[in-house]
Order: sequence, then structure tokens, then C-alpha cells
Amino acid sequence: SDVLTQPPSVSVAPGKTASITCAGNYFGSKSVHWYQQKPGQAPKLVIFFDTDRPAGIPERFSGSNSGNTATLSITRVEAGDEADYYCQVWDNIRDHCVFGTGTKVTVL
Amino acid sequence: QVQLVESGGGLVKPGGSLRLSCEASGFTLSDYYMGWIRQAPGKGLEWISYISSTSSTKFYADSVQGRFIISRDNAKNSLFLQMSGLRPEDTALYYCARGGYFSSSPERDWFDPWGQGTLVTVSS
Repeated sequence: SDVLTQPPSVSVAPGKTASITCAGNYFGSKSVHWYQQKPGQAPKLVIFFDTDRPAGIPERFSGSNSGNTATLSITRVEAGDEADYYCQVWDNIRDHCVFGTGTKVTVL
Repeated sequence: QVQLVESGGGLVKPGGSLRLSCEASGFTLSDYYMGWIRQAPGKGLEWISYISSTSSTKFYADSVQGRFIISRDNAKNSLFLQMSGLRPEDTALYYCARGGYFSSSPERDWFDPWGQGTLVTVSS
């Protein structure tokens, strides 16, 4: 079964790059999607199909998927990027959707 | 614009039942899979259930299998979650979210957009 492990927290200075990892089994064969959740708000899709950005998401957000780890990168971090971030895949063995444990990004 | 609005949450005693609704607008509901995801206070996201566009296929998390039933009425642009045998650990904000478009399999599906959620509290 898929367990998606993310670091609980990542701290980054404004203007720097934040990298959030999501570790799971057989990642290379699965599509990974990423969500941003700001306090008091519903989650918002920021990356789908490993690397694609929905309309309106800045190019500063990018994704990669290799081996057993997917990564969400946020370049030129801004105060407004402070949020919780979750990865998501579909476990096709158990026919279950799985969310990562979540990462709180703090902008110093 | 595309919008999802949940309703039906509230305070219920352990063992009780509740029916959540999600009204969709701004898109053709019958073209999409739909899902329910919940978030306990201060916790992460937990997927609950997923339903195909024609209701022919339904998926459930182990934690709710046999207690919750997902359904939809495309003609009324609505998604539902019938919850029974509620437990204190079911206390959470319940979100509905739009899934795959003309999806043949959930393997590649993501959720976008999400509603604002409806709060379910299970307590005596």
C-alpha cells in the first residue's frame, strides 16, 4: 500500500527556493499531484501530472517525479506562499486515493 | 464560475447518521468523477470516497467502508455522502471536490476545485 511521507515542516527565506519531498513506493509509474492549503481555506491544486501547472499558478511552482520521490519546488519564495502542502496519488492496488502527510512551509 | 458548495454538517451523537450534500455549478457534473475528502481539526487531508460519472463505480477508504455511502444525482447537479454509525473520530471538515474529466480510471485523477467544506462533529 502507498504511504506518502513528507517532511513536517520546511523553512525558507524570502527569495530562496523551497523544496518539498513526497516519498512513496513505485512513484515513477504514478501521477503525483500537489495541493496548497492556506489557513482557513480549502486546498488548491498547484501541480498535476507530476509537472503541470493549472491556469493561474505562477511558474515559480514546479514539480518532478523520479524513482521513489516526488518533489514540489517553489522558487523565489514569497510571504504569500506560506501554507501547508500535500502530495496525492492513486494506489491502484488497493483502489484508494492517498494524500501525503503534509508539509508546513514557513517563510522566515 | 466553477463552484462546489457543501451542506448538511452538524453535531450528531455517536452511532448517529448524517447526510452531506454538495451542489455543483459552472460545469457539467455528469462529465466528472467526484470525491469526498475530510480533514480532522489540526490534521492532514484524508480521502474518503470517489464516484464515477455514471455512479457505476464507487471507492471507499477502509475507515468508512460499510458505514458511508457516496451517491450523485447528475440531473440535480448534486453529490451526496450518507454517513451512518458515526464515531468521534469522524469529526472533521468534509470537502467535496471535482475529480477526473471523462476519466476511464482514477489512476491519474486529481481534485480541482474543492468546496469550502461542511463541519461534522460527533460527540455525546
